[in-house]
Amino acid sequence: SQQGEEDPQALSIQEGENATMNCSYKTSINNLQWYRQNSGRGLVHLILIRSNEREKHSGRLRVTLDTSKKSSSLLITASRAADTASYFCATDWGGATNKLIFGTGTLLAVQP
Amino acid sequence: DVKVTQSSRYLVKRTGEKVFLECVQDMDHENMFWYRQDPGLGLRLIYFSYDVKMKEKGDIPEGYSVSREKKERFSLILESASTNQTSMYLCASLGGFFYEQYFGPGTRLTVT
Repeated sequence: SQQGEEDPQALSIQEGENATMNCSYKTSINNLQWYRQNSGRGLVHLILIRSNEREKHSGRLRVTLDTSKKSSSLLITASRAADTASYFCATDWGGATNKLIFGTGTLLAVQP
Repeated sequence: DVKVTQSSRYLVKRTGEKVFLECVQDMDHENMFWYRQDPGLGLRLIYFSYDVKMKEKGDIPEGYSVSREKKERFSLILESASTNQTSMYLCASLGGFFYEQYFGPGTRLTVT
């Protein structure tokens, strides 16, 4: 019952370029979150956007949410080699906000 | 800083063995989760617990059980390990300003 699907599955860019990842989901949500996972480690929360928000910023991160299209995008500006990681979107289960459904992730490689 | 720790980073077990994976969090969070992560499948929820001695099945509970005797500790039990349970296991607790999930570093389990 995968809720989120990220696109692309893998992305390779040069340092300094911007990276954009997309997430689509299937059902109504209360919020959508993005997480980062460095190779072989646990996930780290990056940003949360609520269903009544359209855009949110945090440092070099910009997240948009389009509930009519059931999609979100994560933009990382001026990327660095340290941004190399997998990025996952996660949505709640509508009514049950304690549980999250994670997508399959986008693997971002930033070349120095 | 929230800390979620897992008992082992790497574990090798034989088919049929009983396996215990331990997770401890230090922030008095009520909700805790166990996921498994496999390439191309993202994170899938095995079980979660919303209070001591309370548990609920996730997407893939078959072959697993859990125990939550104390608030800070959530254990995942593989009653009789099988090779298809070879995976990365991630524990998380829920809390924080954005009500996000905090993840442990993961346990890479190999069943031979």
